[in-house]
Amino acid sequence: KQEVTQIPAALSVPEGENLVLNCSFTDSAIYNLQWFRQDPGKGLTSLLLIQSSQREQTSGRLNASLDKSSGRSTLYIAASQPGDSATYLCAVEGPPGGTSYGKLTFGQGTILTVHP
Amino acid sequence: DAGVTQSPTHLIKTRGQQVTLRCSPKSGHDTVSWYQQALGQGPQFIFQYYEEEERQRGNFPDRFSGHQFPNYSSELNVNALLLGDSALYLCASSLEGGGEKLFFGSGTQLSVL
Repeated sequence: KQEVTQIPAALSVPEGENLVLNCSFTDSAIYNLQWFRQDPGKGLTSLLLIQSSQREQTSGRLNASLDKSSGRSTLYIAASQPGDSATYLCAVEGPPGGTSYGKLTFGQGTILTVHP
Repeated sequence: DAGVTQSPTHLIKTRGQQVTLRCSPKSGHDTVSWYQQALGQGPQFIFQYYEEEERQRGNFPDRFSGHQFPNYSSELNVNALLLGDSALYLCASSLEGGGEKLFFGSGTQLSVL
């Protein structure tokens, strides 16, 4: 059974800092990994999707890396801003033909606070 | 272009009652998935619908059932509500199959008293 863990559970940083969020998964047979952002009481917004054949994806100040063999991904946020404050979740999808294809297994999230 | 819409946004029920939640997928999407998110936890997969059929199901009891209509919209039904069913219920849409970005609605906050 796939399990996803995110460290740290919470992070508070001053504005302008670069930071790294970590995600690990127990079964390396994944199809892709996604990073999401969730504001309090709201739905999820997809930030980056990394296919299993890729090593990283970038969007603006965000960079996500994937090391499938070791079951790890990191989300790097450059020059953090107060507007980045939210919960960040990672999720993995299993390969086609498997029981986890088409459904995401999520970590518990990292609550990020960026203070001015 | 409307994104994923869910209704209602908030709902209060008592134990033993039944509830129906609704979801309209993003324009052009034909697959709808439902997730349950308890406070402080990551979302958990309930089931996925494609071509009006339940294609995948997570580890949820039969009290949780769903439906997809020809226009791809979907309903989630929960019978015999328990206190532990209190959660944010999220609907996500995508194109057929996996490997695609999911687009989530804002969710329905269900409180069971």
